[in-house]
Amino acid sequence: DVKVTQSSRYLVKRTGEKVFLECVQDMDHENMFWYRQDPGLGLRLIYFSYDVKMKEKGDIPEGYSVSREKKERFSLILESASTNQTSMYLCASRAITDTQYFGPGTRLTVL
Amino acid sequence: ILNVEQSPQSLHVQEGDSTNFTCSFPSSNFYALHWYRWETAKSPEALFVMTLNGDEKKKGRISATLNTKEGYSYLYIKGSQPEDSATYLCACFNSENTPLVFGKGTRLSVIA
Repeated sequence: DVKVTQSSRYLVKRTGEKVFLECVQDMDHENMFWYRQDPGLGLRLIYFSYDVKMKEKGDIPEGYSVSREKKERFSLILESASTNQTSMYLCASRAITDTQYFGPGTRLTVL
Repeated sequence: ILNVEQSPQSLHVQEGDSTNFTCSFPSSNFYALHWYRWETAKSPEALFVMTLNGDEKKKGRISATLNTKEGYSYLYIKGSQPEDSATYLCACFNSENTPLVFGKGTRLSVIA
């Protein structure tokens, strides 16, 4: 079975802290994605990556950065967390044109 | 810009009813369409990947059709059960090197 894991299910941080969300997939997928999900807004793409060391901005990249040093790992970084970044964060991976698999999500609260 | 729309936004049905919902997308530059099922407190789970006009796929009581010429897909659930309650997401992309664009989903509630 494809497995996408995220480092934390729940996270509470303070405004201004640097936050790292880690995502690991075990199926050698080229593509990895970070989304956030907010009520009424659906899934919104933050950043994606098609290969190691490659990154592309999604629809809402402001306030975020990413890192992909290894094929299996894609990290989302909040440089200085703000309360409007309180959300559910979902990581996903897929082979080029195949099914996309999601991680369990990290619910981040920024106080 | 690829825009994926789903309707209705939410749906309440009685156990045993059959139901369907719609996903609309631009018919030009279509590459593939995905359907996902998203239960509360879980992550989205893939149901179908559809690429060809006229495709029909089935998984148990759930089936889907695809019309790429007119830009829509239908998801059908036959004999809805309470465990079918979830948000059903549709997503498309128009080339292999682009991310999926998701609709906002249809939230289905099946009342026992």
